[in-house]
Amino acid sequence: GAVVSQHPSWVICKSGTSVKIECRSLDFQATTMFWYRQFPKQSLMLMATSNEGSKATYEQGVEKDKFLINHASLTLSTLTVTSAHPEDSSFYICSARRTGATGELFFGEGSRLTVL
Amino acid sequence: AQRVTQPEKLLSVFKGAPVELKCNYSYSGSPELFWYVQYSRQRLQLLLRHISRESIKGFTADLNKGETSFHLKKPFAQEEDSAMYYCGLRGGGGNKLTFGTGTQLKVEL
Repeated sequence: GAVVSQHPSWVICKSGTSVKIECRSLDFQATTMFWYRQFPKQSLMLMATSNEGSKATYEQGVEKDKFLINHASLTLSTLTVTSAHPEDSSFYICSARRTGATGELFFGEGSRLTVL
Repeated sequence: AQRVTQPEKLLSVFKGAPVELKCNYSYSGSPELFWYVQYSRQRLQLLLRHISRESIKGFTADLNKGETSFHLKKPFAQEEDSAMYYCGLRGGGGNKLTFGTGTQLKVEL
């Protein structure tokens, strides 16, 4: 099956610093990747759709200058949380769909961010 | 706009009992509906989708356009079914997948 890998799995940072999370599709190409945020015991909230070679599409209420998304290749998307604050602490999950395919999304294992 | 509602946060059943996880949606066009499952300490994975009309691990789900529902059912719950279940909707021709708030299924012995 298709594998999506996220790195790092968990990260702790100081308030005011920036953190980058990588999402890679290991054995397939993904024109589109999605970034979700999951609060404790809550659902996955779609933050943005990452499109290879173009700007990301952000959901309403998500600050694009706060959460920078770059999709530089067909196998890599990155999410950078800029000037992180404690309220940004969360579980960030990426998912990817095979290029040319419809339907199933493959999910990464998630990245736990804790901002002190 | 597309919206998914899972009314139950937690569903607790005994082993061998029938299970029904409810999912209702709101979408003006033709949606694609999915069920994803997340077992403890594992990543989210696809369980089934309505267009496949298949049974996976004994689970089935039928899209009811009249009631705008896509409930997940299993006649006899197993202990290994304990997990978090998310109903997802993808708008026809659209790209993004929107999830409901999820239902924690707990199967007790």
